[in-house]
Amino acid sequence: GQNIDQPTEMTATEGAIVQINCTYQTSGFNGLFWYQQHAGEAPTFLSYNVLDGLEEKGRFSSFLSRSKGYSYLLLKELQMKDSASYLCAVSPNPYNTDKLIFGTGTRLQVFP
Amino acid sequence: EAQVTQNPRYLITVTGKKLTVTCSQNMNHEYMSWYRQDPGLGLRQIYYSMNVEVTDKGDVPEGYKVSRKEKRNFPLILESPSPNQTSLYFCASRTTAPGYGYTFGSGTRLTVV
Repeated sequence: GQNIDQPTEMTATEGAIVQINCTYQTSGFNGLFWYQQHAGEAPTFLSYNVLDGLEEKGRFSSFLSRSKGYSYLLLKELQMKDSASYLCAVSPNPYNTDKLIFGTGTRLQVFP
Repeated sequence: EAQVTQNPRYLITVTGKKLTVTCSQNMNHEYMSWYRQDPGLGLRQIYYSMNVEVTDKGDVPEGYKVSRKEKRNFPLILESPSPNQTSLYFCASRTTAPGYGYTFGSGTRLTVV
């Protein structure tokens, strides 16, 4: 089967760094996405990894290891507005489909 | 403004009464998808479409229909809604260019009584 695991909840302090992990077991791999979702709102796209390594975008970075089926999202200089759920999603099919599997999300609470 | 527009935002209906949730995007995206989001289960893909007249099942297609007659529109149809279809629904679209994620609509909260 297809499975994506993330921690359910995390807490951190304003100004700190937090790492949100995601492990996946899928029938194939064609890219991994991270999304941010504030309570009551739609998800918004943060990052995409298809090759091993680190992708940096401002305060957010995402890492991928395909051999380990592992990714993490790194948030630096945390701000109160970063309190949200963070969703990991994998495209499991290398062929011409748009199938996506989402993890259940990690709810991050940032405290002053 | 580039966006995905879903309607309605909120809907309460009765079991068995056919309904359609509309979705329209103005970004000329090829890919469109429907998701439902339930507590503890996350986002699950219902159907997706890779272009006009090309649709395929996601992970939870039972009880739903879709059509893609025009590139911008991707309606979700519930022919005979049941209470287990009470959920938060999101439409999303994206370009075929690699490295770009979905743009999601604002969501439709559906309650079937």
